[in-house]
Amino acid sequence: NAGVMQNPRHLVRRRGQEARLRCSPMKGHSHVYWYRQLPEEGLKFMVYLQKENIIDESGMPKERFSAEFPKEGPSILRIQQVVRGDSAAYFCASRGQGANEQFFGPGTRLTVL
Amino acid sequence: KNEVEQSPQNLTAQEGEFITINCSYSVGISALHWLQQHPGGGIVSLFMLSSGKKKHGRLIATINIQEKHSSLHITASHPRDSAVYICAVGFGNEKLTFGTGTRLTIIP
Repeated sequence: NAGVMQNPRHLVRRRGQEARLRCSPMKGHSHVYWYRQLPEEGLKFMVYLQKENIIDESGMPKERFSAEFPKEGPSILRIQQVVRGDSAAYFCASRGQGANEQFFGPGTRLTVL
Repeated sequence: KNEVEQSPQNLTAQEGEFITINCSYSVGISALHWLQQHPGGGIVSLFMLSSGKKKHGRLIATINIQEKHSSLHITASHPRDSAVYICAVGFGNEKLTFGTGTRLTIIP
């Protein structure tokens, strides 16, 4: 039973480019959370999605960031026109319907040059 | 003031010592999580608890709901236990709120 998958594991972008981070939840999980860990800082919530719905995006920056979780395929976190301050580790976690426990993916480490 | 406070921020101990990491929170929760993160690595969930005590191998986690406090203990610590330990709280199915982590170093 595969765990939460994230790809790529490492992503390098130049300022102004777009970054697309993918998260495939555990089999049977329909709830996905995205968290960001800035260098030398703690983890912070970004967005919570169910299939085809954004439930809570209170942690998302107002501009350049968007997330989706389509009916088919992985959840995508998209960052447009990246800046150096976007350099961080981005983790997704998934959980099953009715469960509280979240299972984390290995993270995507984004470096903006 | 952060909603989740951990102490100590850094902890260095000799191999074999008994380790305690503390977590206090100020909000109502339905569950508290203890997570482990190795440098540059992913996040592993160690425990999720809403009351009492759980044990897994050399790790023990306790929670006191009335006092809004949890502890993570490691018995017979080993260098491979060196990592950052993170406390996180959640309410229902909602997002997790994290402490800033405790960096543990076990010296052989």
